[in-house]
Order: sequence, then structure tokens, then C-alpha cells
Amino acid sequence: SQTIHQWPATLVQPVGSPLSLECTVEGTSNPNLYWYRQAAGRGLQLLFYSVGIGQISSEVPQNLSASRPQDRQFILSSKKLLLSDSGFYLCAWKTGLSYEQYFGPGTRLTVT
Amino acid sequence: AQSVAQPEDQVNVAEGNPLTVKCTYSVSGNPYLFWYVQYPNRGLQFLLKYITGDNLVKGSYGFEAEFNKSQTSFHLKKPSALVSDSALYFCAVRDPGIYNQGGKLIFGQGTELSVKP
Repeated sequence: SQTIHQWPATLVQPVGSPLSLECTVEGTSNPNLYWYRQAAGRGLQLLFYSVGIGQISSEVPQNLSASRPQDRQFILSSKKLLLSDSGFYLCAWKTGLSYEQYFGPGTRLTVT
Repeated sequence: AQSVAQPEDQVNVAEGNPLTVKCTYSVSGNPYLFWYVQYPNRGLQFLLKYITGDNLVKGSYGFEAEFNKSQTSFHLKKPSALVSDSALYFCAVRDPGIYNQGGKLIFGQGTELSVKP
């Protein structure tokens, strides 16, 4: 069966520091991968998605970037964090045949 | 513009009573609709989907949803609520854009369901 992992689970970082969040999927090949941010415990904002290795589509211009160095690995990065980057970051995946997305456990980021 | 609306920020139900969480959509073409549930500090869990076929869709944990094309609605229902159903519920629709090769979803703002004993 397929599983999705995210780490770290929680992170506290000072303003201006770099960021790297990792997401990996097991048990499937060539998934579509997604990064979302959820602020204030409510609405989901799609940040990036990827349909294949090295293919990244950005939905919202900001100081974040994403990379997909391997088929089942998706990384969210920032060179300098802002206070507004605080939130709950969710990674999701889906296969090419399915319509629904499956979400990871999330990373709680607090920028201080 | 394509959109999903969840008109209620919060729904309160007594345990054992039926529950309904409302969702309406506005998309071009045939909608592909989804419901997710989120417990505190957890990721979203997929409950059910409507792609085509029977308007009543059954999903996980006893939940079901009814697709109503004329009312552009996809309400989530459960005949008898449990305290453990208390969570945040999201409705979503697949972005029908012709350039949506990535299978993007459009999410509603969420409805907080509170089930009291």
C-alpha cells in the first residue's frame, strides 16, 4: 500500500533563516505531488505541484521554492523565511489514474 | 471562475442525530467532487468522491454525499453522528481547466463539525 511521509513534524525557525521540508511517497511510481499551506487552521493554499522529476509548477509567487530530485521525493525550500511563512504545510500525492489526492501528516512551521 | 463554497463555518449536532455539511460548487462542465476530513494537527483524509454515476455516493466511516446537479450541491451526510466525527470538513472540486494536467483541486474554506454527547 502507499504511504506518504513528511518531516520534520514541527519546526521553529527565526526570521531570515533557510527552510527545507521534505516529502516522500512509498508504494507508487510517477505520482503527481503537491505542496499546500494551511494558515489559521482553515483554508488550503496550493503552493506547488509536480507531474514528474524536475517539473515544478508554481501557483503563488512568494519566497518559497520547490524541487523534485527523485520520482517520489518533493522538497519545499526557502532561502530566507518571513513571519508570514508560518503555517501548516501539507504534501499530497495522486496517481495518474486517480482523481483524489492523498495527504501526508503535515509539518507545523512557526517563524519567530 | 471555478469555485467551491461551504456556507457554514460551523455545524453543531447532538450525538446520534443525523448530520449534514453543505457544499455548493460552480464549475464549467461535469464536476468531479470530493470530501475530506481533517482532525487537529493532522493531514486531510479522503472520505469520498463523485465522478459519475449514482448521485448518492458512500464513503468511509459511514459518510455519504448526495450530488445534485440542478442545485449544484454536494452535501455530506451521516445518519447518526458520533462525538468522534468532530473535525474540520473540506469539500473540493477538480479544476476543470483544460491546462490542468496536474489534477489540481479547488477546496472550500472548511466547516467545523462539533458533535456533542
